[in-house]
Amino acid sequence: GENVEQHPSTLSVQEGDSAVIKCTYSDSASNYFPWYKQELGKRPQLIIDIRSNVGEKKDQRIAVTLNKTAKHFSLHITETQPEDSAVYFCAARGGTASKLTFGTGTRLQVTL
Amino acid sequence: NAGVTQTPKFQVLKTGQSMTLQCAQDMNHNSMYWYRQDPGMGLRLIYYSASEGTTDKGEVPNGYNVSRLNKREFSLRLESAAPSQTSVYFCASSEQGGQPQHFGDGTRLSIL
Repeated sequence: GENVEQHPSTLSVQEGDSAVIKCTYSDSASNYFPWYKQELGKRPQLIIDIRSNVGEKKDQRIAVTLNKTAKHFSLHITETQPEDSAVYFCAARGGTASKLTFGTGTRLQVTL
Repeated sequence: NAGVTQTPKFQVLKTGQSMTLQCAQDMNHNSMYWYRQDPGMGLRLIYYSASEGTTDKGEVPNGYNVSRLNKREFSLRLESAAPSQTSVYFCASSEQGGQPQHFGDGTRLSIL
């Protein structure tokens, strides 16, 4: 089955800096790659996603890039703000249409 | 404007007891999911329902059963609770399969 690895496990940046979180996946048939944000004690929230026929997608301060050849995808957050502090999860949907595999999460802390 | 509603929010059980976690969505979504979240392990899919009347096993289905009662409701049952099932359980829904969009607030379950 699909295996998703996520790095780093923790990331601390200063307010205004950029943050990058990287994920690799194993199933070359994977076709859907969402990112979720989870604040402490809250539900996961879908913040952006990308499909395998697209190389990059942006939504205001966040962007996701996909490299199908290398089987990795990344989340980029620019001009970070304290409210960006949360755990971020990547995920990949493999060849079996309904099964999404999650990474283990990155705890992002934005310091003043 | 409720989205995905889970009950209960907290529960403590003794080993061997049974219970049902309830989930309902009001967005007319076809697909519903049950995940468990353990520290350092991301979210793992327990069961999935592509549409009313269908269910499918996820990564970690052992010890659980599900019922898709109608389009709105998807329940998760623990027949004989074990300490290894202590976790936070999230229900989610989506219009299309394999891409959970909206999560509930979670059920924090402790089994002694």
